[in-house]
Amino acid sequence: GENVEQHPSTLSVQEGDSAVIKCTYSDSASNYFPWYKQELGKRPQLIIDIRSNVGEKKDQRIAVTLNKTAKHFSLHITETQPEDSAVYFCAAEVTFGTGTKLQVIP
Amino acid sequence: GAVVSQHPSWVICKSGTSVKIECRSLDFQATTMFWYRQFPKQSLMLMATSNEGSKATYEQGVEKDKFLINHASLTLSTLTVTSAHPEDSSFYICSAFGLAGGADTGELFFGEGSRLTVL
Repeated sequence: GENVEQHPSTLSVQEGDSAVIKCTYSDSASNYFPWYKQELGKRPQLIIDIRSNVGEKKDQRIAVTLNKTAKHFSLHITETQPEDSAVYFCAAEVTFGTGTKLQVIP
Repeated sequence: GAVVSQHPSWVICKSGTSVKIECRSLDFQATTMFWYRQFPKQSLMLMATSNEGSKATYEQGVEKDKFLINHASLTLSTLTVTSAHPEDSSFYICSAFGLAGGADTGELFFGEGSRLTVL
């Protein structure tokens, strides 16, 4: 089955700096790579996703890159704000990564 | 957009009893639904894929006789935790690929989650 690894597990950045979270996956058949933000006790919220036919996608301060050859994808958040503090999960299809707790320090 | 609803949102039960959790797609049909379990400060772990009208597909290490899944209609999947024990206490979430904005975006929509506490 699919195996998704995510790094780092925790990330602290100063407000205004950029944050980068990286994931690798094992199944070359995977074509859908979503990123979720989850607040404590709540359901995951999709923040951006990318499919295998593109290498990069951007939505305001959030961007995702995908390298299918290397089987890794990354989330980039620019100009971070305190409200970006949360737990972020990558996924390959329906298999989740291990999560990253992002803390944005005001 | 697509809505997935889960019930109950929380449940407390005694050890040895069974608990049923329902997952409904409210405004779309879902031939496939996914069940996850999430322990505190951990990721969502895929337990099984629920298939309408056929048997569920369980992930490695998940006991199919303990976690019974029934997907009898295109809008309802149920997860029954049988003979629950304290170690089964967790946050259970269902999901399904659905529509958003009238188009099939292939986005995964999640239920609200069900927090199970086994005493």
